[in-house]
Amino acid sequence: QSALTQPASMSGSPGQSITISCTGTTSDVGAYNYVSWYQQHPGKAPKLMIYDVINRPSGVSDRFSGSKSGNTASLTISGLQTEDEADYYCSSYTSSGTGVFGGGTKLTVL
Amino acid sequence: EVQLVESGGGLVQPGGSLKLSCAASGFTFSGSPMHWVRQASGKGLEWVGRIRSKANNYATAYAASVKGRFTISRDDSTNTVYLQMNSLKTEDTAVYYCIRGYTSSWRHHWGQGTLVTVSS
Repeated sequence: QSALTQPASMSGSPGQSITISCTGTTSDVGAYNYVSWYQQHPGKAPKLMIYDVINRPSGVSDRFSGSKSGNTASLTISGLQTEDEADYYCSSYTSSGTGVFGGGTKLTVL
Repeated sequence: EVQLVESGGGLVQPGGSLKLSCAASGFTFSGSPMHWVRQASGKGLEWVGRIRSKANNYATAYAASVKGRFTISRDDSTNTVYLQMNSLKTEDTAVYYCIRGYTSSWRHHWGQGTLVTVSS
């Protein structure tokens, strides 16, 4: 199972919006609405931000939203804040009954 | 509140074995699929494998990189999931996370992880 494709890095200014993409195949992202997004700060465990494409766990800011079109899922962060600077990973269920992650996107808030 | 506490990590020589444990609480463990994910220092996340519930025959699946070397098992009487790691390689060095899954959802709860170092 190949990793999902994410941009290695992205940057934005405080207050701006950015969208991180996650491209898979018809065997993972495109096959199910089982995509999640994680935020990870250095030295910390990943934090779930979005699950099942569009759902936000309680306690996660509504500045974070998810979507999907075909084989590509997206995470949008609106009103960027300095604390949003982190690594972001997408994850998908696959038709083999396994899981797969993206390579991660390092977000810099300038 | 969901709690997952991993243990058993440490230093092991290449070719050696190690067994990780994950003690779960705060949810119906017996009905939940459980996963293991790892992360090498400075690298991305890698899904390692999962075990389904008794209702799903305790079915397991593994990443190609660990298949045949790693085995996931569970004890529903003690709410514990295990990761038996054999024939360890230096590239298995990573923080290993225990994860609670849901049936019919890709929502997960994560433990804090345990470090495994494979080195001579």
